[in-house]
Amino acid sequence: NAGVTQTPKFQVLKTGQSMTLQCAQDMNHEYMSWYRQDPGMGLRLIHYSVGAGITDQGEVPNGYNVSRSTTEDFPLRLLSAAPSQTSVYFCASSYLAAGAQAGNTIYFGEGSWLTVV
Amino acid sequence: DQQVKQNSPSLSVQEGRISILNCDYTNSMFDYFLWYKKYPAEGPTFLISISSIKDKNEDGRFTVFLNKSAKHLSLHIVPSQPGDSAVYFCAASANDYKLSFGAGTTVTVRA
Repeated sequence: NAGVTQTPKFQVLKTGQSMTLQCAQDMNHEYMSWYRQDPGMGLRLIHYSVGAGITDQGEVPNGYNVSRSTTEDFPLRLLSAAPSQTSVYFCASSYLAAGAQAGNTIYFGEGSWLTVV
Repeated sequence: DQQVKQNSPSLSVQEGRISILNCDYTNSMFDYFLWYKKYPAEGPTFLISISSIKDKNEDGRFTVFLNKSAKHLSLHIVPSQPGDSAVYFCAASANDYKLSFGAGTTVTVRA
């Protein structure tokens, strides 16, 4: 996957713990986003950002916080982990709004597997 | 409520034959549609897309068809190859920053 790096790849948390999933891209993309993938649900948008200092909620934002202090980084914070947050998390980035231009592509990271026990 | 639906969770096809993946959507505001391919332990990668002003887009072995009146699109892979075995996600956008994804279809290409 071109230039989107996620860490950690695997994490086990206890209920109530907090943690941050890191996402960095080196393509100078304005747009970055976080998705979660659950069985039978596809990918669902958690939060997104159209540039440094600008963030907004997606479809399933509850329980997650984000910030965008630089163009390169877009961390996802779980303030108090719950078993319902067990999922695979994908960070993505692109130059332009998804689908706004023909041929536009969104680059995804390799995913972070999170288990909350 | 999911606005993009892929009702077939899996598809098995013989190598060399055609694979047809289907996707339905409910939001009439969607105007751009994409297909992503995903291998295990990797992120999704862009495969092909189509604008709502078109009804067909072709790229090599991959063709996407859009039927706006039926709110239906399909992905054809001809001929299917072993490397095509993956999960395929249909996604849609209403000309904004957000993508709505289907649940995915797992394609297995048999030798």
